Amino acid sequence: AQSVAQPEDQVNVAEGNPLTVKCTYSVSGNPYLFWYVQYPNRGLQFLLKYITGDNLVKGSYGFEAEFNKSQTSFHLKKPSALVSDSALYFCAVRARSIYSGAGSYQLTFGKGTKLSVIP
Amino acid sequence: KAGVTQTPRYLIKTRGQQVTLSCSPISGHRSVSWYQQTPGQGLQFLFEYFSETQRNKGNFPGRFSGRQFSNSRSEMNVSTLELGDSALYLCASTEDRGERNTIYFGEGSWLTVV
Repeated sequence: AQSVAQPEDQVNVAEGNPLTVKCTYSVSGNPYLFWYVQYPNRGLQFLLKYITGDNLVKGSYGFEAEFNKSQTSFHLKKPSALVSDSALYFCAVRARSIYSGAGSYQLTFGKGTKLSVIP
Repeated sequence: KAGVTQTPRYLIKTRGQQVTLSCSPISGHRSVSWYQQTPGQGLQFLFEYFSETQRNKGNFPGRFSGRQFSNSRSEMNVSTLELGDSALYLCASTEDRGERNTIYFGEGSWLTVV
């Protein structure tokens, strides 16, 4: 079964500083990795995904993520944090479900990391 | 293109009642999945539908059920509500069931059971 770990419940960073939100995963087979952001009382917004190819993936709002196969990590990064980046961030892996038939996939999420950008 | 639309956004139900939540996927998307989000358990997969067939189901009791219609719209139903069912229920859609496709989420339905 697949799993995702986000080791930090909360990350605090000063506005203008670089930010990193950590994610590690466990999956058999090829990992398909995603980052989502959730603002208060809202749904999940897609930020970026890694499918294959370049290990550095660029996404929405200036975010990027680095895939590291040997460390099974997919950390989210941004060179310069904004106060408006303050939100809850979820890492997810999509892999074939062992509970269902061929072609059945589901997202498995980490617990989420609350990012606070301090003015 | 309109996003994933969920109704109602907020609702309050009494323990023992049942509730039906509705989801309209992004136009052209045929796969719809449902997730439950709670502070304690985080985001948990409920089930996935594709072409009106349930393809995958998470580890939830039989009180949780769903269906998908021919136009890809989906509903989920929770019967005999318990206080622990209070949660944000998120619907998501994607073009098909390929693992490389992005899954897009709606704004969710906030259910409070009292």
